[in-house]
Amino acid sequence: LAKTTQPISMDSYEGQEVNITCSHNNIATNDYITWYQQFPSQGPRFIIQGYKTKVTNEVASLFIPADRKSSTLSLPRVSLSDTAVYYCLVGELGFYFGSGTKLNVKP
Amino acid sequence: GAVVSQHPSWVICKSGTSVKIECRSLDFQATTMFWYRQFPKQSLMLMATSNEGSKATYEQGVEKDKFLINHASLTLSTLTVTSAHPEDSSFYICSATSEYIQYFGAGTRLSVL
Repeated sequence: LAKTTQPISMDSYEGQEVNITCSHNNIATNDYITWYQQFPSQGPRFIIQGYKTKVTNEVASLFIPADRKSSTLSLPRVSLSDTAVYYCLVGELGFYFGSGTKLNVKP
Repeated sequence: GAVVSQHPSWVICKSGTSVKIECRSLDFQATTMFWYRQFPKQSLMLMATSNEGSKATYEQGVEKDKFLINHASLTLSTLTVTSAHPEDSSFYICSATSEYIQYFGAGTRLSVL
């Protein structure tokens, strides 16, 4: 299963766009890339999933280069409520969580 | 998206007792569910894969006799922590997959005294 590497933490300010990159060098052909958000003492919440190129939904965009060895989650105009840990998972189902990125949004 | 319900959200028990945690897929059927454990400030760790109508598959290092998993129907999986000890205190989270996306329950905080 593909291992993922993300920055441990990031700081941002309200209203800014935040980009979190995940590295997954040994991604397999059938693997999807899925991002989750987790608040303390809650289960992870699905944000977005993609296979290649760009995917956008009402809360985020996901950019995947042609080689698929990395992906970038883009959160437009973050607010204080976006302070959370963000995980990228790679795999057909994606069981194994990496360390995640703790995003701290400041006023 | 699909909804996964987990119950209870918080349980306190005495050392040596057993605790059962339920995980339900509310609006879809799940032949496979997953159980995770999360310690404070750490990531989620997969404990086992629960398969409807068959035995669960446990990750290396997880004691199958201690963490009993039953998946008797397409919408319900249960995790029983047997003879709980303080070191079993943790946050337990279940998930189920719908259309290639894992949906997670809200988690169960277990505190063993």
